[in-house]
Amino acid sequence: EDQVTQSPEALRLQEGESSSLNCSYTVSGLRGLFWYRQDPGKGPEFLFTLYSAGEEKEKERLKATLTKKESFLHITAPKPEDSATYLCALNTNAGKSTFGDGTTLTVKP
Amino acid sequence: NAGVTQTPKFQVLKTGQSMTLQCAQDMNHNSMYWYRQDPGMGLRLIYYSASEGTTDKGEVPNGYNVSRLNKREFSLRLESAAPSQTSVYFCASTPTPARGQETQYFGPGTRLLVL
Repeated sequence: EDQVTQSPEALRLQEGESSSLNCSYTVSGLRGLFWYRQDPGKGPEFLFTLYSAGEEKEKERLKATLTKKESFLHITAPKPEDSATYLCALNTNAGKSTFGDGTTLTVKP
Repeated sequence: NAGVTQTPKFQVLKTGQSMTLQCAQDMNHNSMYWYRQDPGMGLRLIYYSASEGTTDKGEVPNGYNVSRLNKREFSLRLESAAPSQTSVYFCASTPTPARGQETQYFGPGTRLLVL
């Protein structure tokens, strides 16, 4: 059974304090790993797609990496506006996605 | 472009009542999805429609039905609401399920409370 586990559940950082969010997974056939950002009261918003081990993608202060068993979302020198819940999702068969429970990031000024 | 729109934004139901959640997209996407999100949890797939005229069950389909009315619209129906269906419901769409086209675009959600 395809499974996605995100850690930690919650992360509190000071502004400028870099850290990483983890997404570990088990899947029979990975068609893509997705990262989404979700602000309170809103729908998820797409950040990155990774398809193969070793792949990396960057956007502003965020960098996503992928291995055969896990993905990391690295956040460098975060700002308060980076506070959100970050969701990891696997794309498996026929475009269906399996989501993790998310990591809620709070960045204090 | 409005993207993905959902109505209503909020709804309170009594146990046993029925209702339909509406979703529409104006991006000419082929695939559409319904998810539910419970507090502190990720999204769980209820039903999806890979293309117009097709629908399939997701992870948690019990108690729900769907209709892909046309390419733009995908509705979710609760025939007899139960308190366990209290949740936030998100609709999403993708151009196709093909590799490189699977990014999901989400609506703002419908918050449903069943008493």
